[in-house]
Amino acid sequence: SYDLTQPPSMSVSPGQTASITCSGYKLGEKYVRWYQQKPGQSPALVIFHDTKRPSGIPERFSGSNSGDTATLTISGTQALDEADYYCQAWDSNTVVFGGGTKLTVL
Amino acid sequence: DVQLVESGGGLVQPGGSLRLSCAASRFTFSSYAMNWVRQAPGKGLEWVSAISGTGGSTYFADSLKGRFTISRDNSKNTLYLQMNSLRVEDTAIYYCARNSGDSGSGFDYWGQGTLVTVSS
Repeated sequence: SYDLTQPPSMSVSPGQTASITCSGYKLGEKYVRWYQQKPGQSPALVIFHDTKRPSGIPERFSGSNSGDTATLTISGTQALDEADYYCQAWDSNTVVFGGGTKLTVL
Repeated sequence: DVQLVESGGGLVQPGGSLRLSCAASRFTFSSYAMNWVRQAPGKGLEWVSAISGTGGSTYFADSLKGRFTISRDNSKNTLYLQMNSLRVEDTAIYYCARNSGDSGSGFDYWGQGTLVTVSS
């Protein structure tokens, strides 16, 4: 089965840039999506097609994907960005989620 | 705005069955593939199953094949998940989610989830 690996946690200071990685074999050959989930809420799509933002998602959210690693970058991180972030890809007609990264803004 | 409302969760004994429903509204239901995603307490997201807009194609996580069945009734704008032979480890919040479009798209709308607890 295909695996996506994310760091379990990371912290960032307000106003700084957070880069959350997602690693998988030849991940750059697949499309990657990213979801944000705040406590007690359903997940929300923040990046699709590797780099695209759904309407309503702030420009400070961006994505990249190359080689074996996809990255979600949050520029000028705000306190309200504190959440769990999950990467996701399709492989062999199945959907795979990364284990999630808990982003703390402090 | 798009609305997805899950129902059917609850407490069930190990070995039991449960059918979840997801009522969709405010979009052309039959035009979108749909998914079930679950989240065990304090854990990450786990994809369960997907079904095409027509219902003609279904996909399952390898670990769940044979126990769970996904279906949809486009005349009722409703997605279903039939869960059989339930195990304690199936305890989770079950979300339905819309696949927004092509193969690169993501799950753009999610329901609020329904809690399934498998316990004796």
